Parts: sequence; structure tokens; C-alpha cells
Amino acid sequence: DSGVTQTPKHLITATGQRVTLRCSPRSGDLSVYWYQQSLDQGLQFLIHYYNGEERAKGNILERFSAQQFPDLHSELNLSSLELGDSALYFCASSPIGRGGYGYTFGSGTRLTVV
Amino acid sequence: AQTVTQSQPEMSVQEAETVTLSCTYDTSESNYYLFWYKQPPSRQMILVIRQEAYKQQNATENRFSVNFQKAAKSFSLKISDSQLGDTAMYFCAFMKERGGADGLTFGKGTHLIIQP
Repeated sequence: DSGVTQTPKHLITATGQRVTLRCSPRSGDLSVYWYQQSLDQGLQFLIHYYNGEERAKGNILERFSAQQFPDLHSELNLSSLELGDSALYFCASSPIGRGGYGYTFGSGTRLTVV
Repeated sequence: AQTVTQSQPEMSVQEAETVTLSCTYDTSESNYYLFWYKQPPSRQMILVIRQEAYKQQNATENRFSVNFQKAAKSFSLKISDSQLGDTAMYFCAFMKERGGADGLTFGKGTHLIIQP
């Protein structure tokens, strides 16, 4: 157990639908990062939140959004889903200002869009 | 923008052998971090080793070591005395300085298979 918790582990939904992925960071970590892993694009950084505020955006589609709540858990919202959104979505966390020591990743949410 | 290239999609070696995975990167940054992550069949991303660009000494973690050549922008991973449990996807990753705020840039990965 890495200490980063992601739910659900698996999600199957239809095109056009909206889903929410949840992440609880490791205790004490203020930063949460979201990554997408797909066969086509590999591992891509989506977005970073630090203590409730957005810090950096990567290759995140406009149909996707995220937020971090006061208890530091984060949610990634994916809407108007397309077949190409099928992927493994990872959450990772790091302590304040210590991203250079590497992140701790959760076990991922496998999203299948049918 | 940074790019990370792993030129070996798949490698296979016998147990107990030494194997080296290649990684090159392109950046205009002078200070940054480099990482190797392991992804076994369980899908979990596990940090194997990290290197700070301003440190000339190559990082080592038990059987894992790196050969960091900053001028050549090369960052290879050497696994000594390979074990069956080393079978996994290995990803090389780059992070700009700034506390990691901008996330990691990953290579496409190398699938390493350790044969008994």
C-alpha cells in the first residue's frame, strides 16, 4: 500500500457520460497530480493541485476538470466521454516542495468507455 | 518542452544477468531531476531511482544504478543480478526544477522480461 488511495479501481461507462475519479493523497502530502496512461499517448501529466489550488496544467482536455478539497482529497471529472478516453488514470502525491524526490503513485483507476 | 526517449521497446535477459536500459532526453533546463519508475503487472508505479542533475555522482540503490551523462543528455539504468521480480515496464522520467510543480515527462517505456 503506497498510501495514495484511488477509487474506484475499475469503471465501465458509455460514450457521452460523465464520471468522477477520486484520490486521497498520502498523509501529510499537500500536492496531488493526475496522470493518464493510454496505449496511444503513454503516460501524460494532466494537472497538479497544491493545497486546494491549481498549480500546473499539462495535456488535460477541456472536457476534463479537477479540484482539490479542504481535506486534500482530489477528484478528476471526465465528461462527454469518448472511446479514446479509455485509459488508466493515476493519482500521485508529494510533500510540499519536495516533488524532486519523486511522487508516490496510487494504484490507478481503469476507465473503459464503451 | 521536454522530451524523453526510450529506444528499447522490449528487452529480455536471463536471471542473474546484468541489463542496461537506455534513456535520452532533451531539455533547455540546467537544473532538473531524472527518475526511473517500474510498473509491474500489478500496474503500480514504483520509484526505482532518482538523480539530481546538478550532482555529478551517479545514483545507486542496491542492485540498481544509473549512468548519468549530462552533456550527452543520457540517463541509463543498470540492473545487476537481475531477478524474476524485476520483470516489468520501466519508465524514464524528467522533472523540471520548481519542486516538481510541472509534473513528470515520461518516456514510452521499456518492457523488461527476466527469463528463469
